[in-house]
Amino acid sequence: GESVGLHLPTLSVQEGDNSIINCAYSNSASDYFIWYKQESGKGPQFIIDIRSNMDKRQGQRVTVLLNKTVKHLSLQIAATQPGDSAVYFCAETGYDSWGKLQFGAGTQVVVTP
Amino acid sequence: GAVVSQHPSWVICKSGTSVKIECRSLDFQATTMFWYRQFPKQSLMLMATSNEGSKATYEQGVEKDKFLINHASLTLSTLTVTSAHPEDSSFYICSVGGEETQYFGPGTRLLVL
Repeated sequence: GESVGLHLPTLSVQEGDNSIINCAYSNSASDYFIWYKQESGKGPQFIIDIRSNMDKRQGQRVTVLLNKTVKHLSLQIAATQPGDSAVYFCAETGYDSWGKLQFGAGTQVVVTP
Repeated sequence: GAVVSQHPSWVICKSGTSVKIECRSLDFQATTMFWYRQFPKQSLMLMATSNEGSKATYEQGVEKDKFLINHASLTLSTLTVTSAHPEDSSFYICSVGGEETQYFGPGTRLLVL
């Protein structure tokens, strides 16, 4: 069941610095991973994805790194801006459960001026 | 990517009443949609998979008789929370599997008094 009073991990970043958000996953069968950004009161917004046959993928100001050996995923945001303040979730799915996303706990990113 | 809408964006109801939430895929014909629930400061939890023209499949611990799902067309899935109670108060979010990834609706905030 859900926990009451759970607090999200928070990453405080100064504007202009780079952010690194980490995510550990547990399902070895997962082969598709997605990073979402969620602003308060809104639905998750797609940022970037990566498949298990890759270890790095770059987008606009964002880079996702995948380490399958240790089941670790990271999102790097370059030159963090105030508009990047949000909760970031990693999500995973696999061929055996395609489309059913398993979400990580989330990280609250706070950008300070 | 797929554009997904939800209606209503927020709803307040009395305990014991039923509430229907709509999820529409505006530019993509979706044979499958997903329903998630999110409590404050927590991650998204998959509730059920909505299948067009057939019964929904529910995740473990989700009562199918309480959360009725209907996916009557390729662009519309509805979630009805029957006999709602205060503990059902949450943020309900649907997603659509686009050609490459999952896209989320803006969410519906439900408050049961």
